[in-house]
Amino acid sequence: DVQLVESGGGLVQPGGSLRLSCAASGFTFPGYWLSWVRQTPGKGLQWVATINQDGRQTYYLDSLKGRFTISRDNAESSLYLQMSNLRVDDTAVYYCARGNDYGFNYYFALWGRGTPVSVSS
Amino acid sequence: SYVLTQPPAVSVAPGQTATITCGGNHIGSKRVHWYQQKPGQAPILVIYYDKDRPSGIPERFSGSNSGNTATLTISRVEVGDEADYHCQLWDTTTDQPVFGGGTKLTVL
Repeated sequence: DVQLVESGGGLVQPGGSLRLSCAASGFTFPGYWLSWVRQTPGKGLQWVATINQDGRQTYYLDSLKGRFTISRDNAESSLYLQMSNLRVDDTAVYYCARGNDYGFNYYFALWGRGTPVSVSS
Repeated sequence: SYVLTQPPAVSVAPGQTATITCGGNHIGSKRVHWYQQKPGQAPILVIYYDKDRPSGIPERFSGSNSGNTATLTISRVEVGDEADYHCQLWDTTTDQPVFGGGTKLTVL
């Protein structure tokens, strides 16, 4: 089956760090742009970050630059999101998503089921 | 940044037509995509490039985009269509993807 499966979420204190993972299967992983998208409780979706096929191009939501790092391991068909200095308002479900060519036509063709992150003292 | 406005909720009876709007300044000049999200499940792409359907999405789902409003239309609504629907496009100001706030479709 073509799928994305996230893991690594959990409860963390403000200022803490967390690393999310996304395992891909059923498609040629190195061929695609990949993104993280989050959804705060009861609210809409928010794009977080995107990485290109070879990992050399990365893009971030401006407010997250410097705290979040997206990376990938094509040999392991895995996507990662390293989150540091976490804040209460980072609490959300984090989704891994596969995209097409990043830019004007960008959309998310495949999503995982998400992993919840809760930042609280 | 670009703002996309969706109604929080839409209700429709089974068999009727549901219309979900996504408003934005000159949105007709952009390409809009729509996602269906059921509770606890992964979002699913149901419309891309304003009106195209991915394989496996029923023909009952259609999209349009003109002026300041993009529209997702679901014909012959079924109970299984009950979900949150999100619109998304590329914000050329920030060069980033943006989403609308989502619309909860209730099938009465």
